[in-house]
Amino acid sequence: DTGVSQDPRHKITKRGQNVTFRCDPISEHNRLYWYRQTLGQGPEFLTYFQNEAQLEKSRLLSDRFSAERPKGSFSTLEIQRTEQGDSAMYLCASSSSEIREQFFGPGTRLTVL
Amino acid sequence: AQTVTQSQPEMSVQEAETVTLSCTYDTSESDYYLFWYKQPPSRQMILVIRQEAYKQQNATENRFSVNFQKAAKSFSLKISDSQLGDAAMYFCAYRVLPRSTLGRLYFGRGTQLTVWP
Repeated sequence: DTGVSQDPRHKITKRGQNVTFRCDPISEHNRLYWYRQTLGQGPEFLTYFQNEAQLEKSRLLSDRFSAERPKGSFSTLEIQRTEQGDSAMYLCASSSSEIREQFFGPGTRLTVL
Repeated sequence: AQTVTQSQPEMSVQEAETVTLSCTYDTSESDYYLFWYKQPPSRQMILVIRQEAYKQQNATENRFSVNFQKAAKSFSLKISDSQLGDAAMYFCAYRVLPRSTLGRLYFGRGTQLTVWP
């Protein structure tokens, strides 16, 4: 068990570019969550997958954001036409059930110039 | 609305002393879980302690314990015998049990804990 991993750890991009982040959950976990954490704030929920199904999306997730989990294993989060307001830490978490602990990855820090 | 309030942006404690971090929350649900997560600098968030709302007994994990006051919707974290490695941002979070929320966590804004040698 290597824990939840995220790639890349840091991403700097120019406004208007597209970026994609990857999350690899703990292998036996079928639930995967994405959160966004801005400076001075706690993480805020973005979206949730159970296996490959995306079951919930926050209103924070605008049309420029899309997330997938094609085979129920790793997940990707894509941001199109990035804006400076997208600068944040994007956290991924996984768990084995709704009531069990969520294990967090190290996050991807996005900076949009 | 589900909200979590941590009224102390920063706290400091001397090594080996005790510190208490405050958290209040607002929910109309009766079944939920409460958590304290620790986020060290540039490292991933890890769970410190959890409390089921239906349990009256306060949770403890070694040097970490909570004071859970359900009626007051208060959930404070006590760290005893503080160590330098306890220095981190601490987040209070909760999760309601009804399936409509699918297990998402609601977080406070965090308390930055400094431990002085």
